[in-house]
This record gives sequence, structure tokens and C-alpha cells, in this order.
Amino acid sequence: RKEVEQDPGPFNVPEGATVAFNCTYSNSASQSFFWYRQDCRKEPKLLMSVYSSGNEDGRFTAQLNRASQYISLLIRDSKLSDSATYLCVVNQNAGGTSYGKLTFGQGTILTVHP
Amino acid sequence: EADIYQTPRYLVIGTGKKITLECSQTMGHDKMYWYQQDPGMELHLIHYSYGVNSTEKGDLSSESTVSRIRTEHFPLTLESARPSHTSQYLCASRRGTGNGVSVKEAFFGQGTRLTVV
Repeated sequence: RKEVEQDPGPFNVPEGATVAFNCTYSNSASQSFFWYRQDCRKEPKLLMSVYSSGNEDGRFTAQLNRASQYISLLIRDSKLSDSATYLCVVNQNAGGTSYGKLTFGQGTILTVHP
Repeated sequence: EADIYQTPRYLVIGTGKKITLECSQTMGHDKMYWYQQDPGMELHLIHYSYGVNSTEKGDLSSESTVSRIRTEHFPLTLESARPSHTSQYLCASRRGTGNGVSVKEAFFGQGTRLTVV
């Protein structure tokens, strides 16, 4: 089983749609969680961190469920510029053999069309 | 903009050559990472470092080696390049002390696209 798994996608949605991505992680000792965005042939860039209580940044909402080891990202009112690959990222930062290791999911491709 | 730099951006080299991919950051980050990514595919962690003189192998079996003699510098070396090494190599860094202290985001360099012919 992969350490971090995401919906395979791709997702093709019209402008204005709401789309949700899911991610599960296998290491219960994981402490930090992030969503990154990667444009075609570019490096990944942080979209948002994911906090235990859930957090929102404009049209983007991230949720964390530690009991189910599950992370989600919700995008409301999709824009053409949201088209990209979205990467779920998990870090174990409190001891153990994987201390400091940052693991990426395989990514979910989103295409927003007019 | 993140202060993390990779050189070269593009490299085409013959089989059997020794190559070193450079990565430097001026943010004072203690943690640094090397990832390998084929087009349209996921990132695979190949090496990481907690700080000076500490390095660990990642998940992907690789014939590469790394060193961390200085905080700001984390070069990746392939002793003998092969066509199977053709890929994009991404370096990242972040600050984080763990054990209850908030771990910060990772910043990526622009990558090195390596082609071995």
C-alpha cells in the first residue's frame, strides 16, 4: 500500500463547479499535511497547509480526519486558472524512522473548461 | 519567490558519465530533499537530509549519492549515468524542528531536466 494515496482523476469540470479531492495516508504518526499545486512542467508550490480543525483560504477548504487518516480539498467556484495537478503531502515530524520525510501522493489532475 | 536554486536547468549527457546536480538555498533551512519525477507522473523521494552531515535514502532505489557539508548546499551525484536516469530532478527545502513545533512548507527549485543518451 502506498503511504499517500489520492483520487486518480482526472477531473474535468466546467467553470463555476465545486470539486473535491480526497487523500488517505497510511502512517498514523504523520503530523503535518499540505496541499500543493503543480502546473505543467513546473515545480510544485504550496496551496495550503491542512490544520486539525480544518481551514479555508478563499475558494479553497481543507479538512483533516485523523481517525480515518483522510485529507480533503474542496474548490468552490472553479476558475480556468485552477487547472493543474493537486498533490497531497504528508510529513512525519516526531521521531521514528521516517522523521522529516515529506511524502507526496501521485497527484490528481484537474481541468476546468469554459 | 523562494530562494532555492538548481543548476543546470537542462543537461544532456552520454552514458557512463559522472554528473552532479547542484542545489542551493539561502533561507537557512535545515531540511532538504531530492525528488525524481517523470512527465505526468508522481514525485519519488530519493534522498533527504535533516541537517549538516545527515543524509537518508528515500523510497526510490537510486544509484545516486548526496552530501550535506553545508546547510545551504545539497548536491546529488550520479557516478555513472544511464538512460534509465533520464527524468526531472527536483530539490526542495524547508524549516521544521518537529516535536510539537509547527513544520513549515517546502519550497522547490525549478528542477533539472536530465537526459542520458
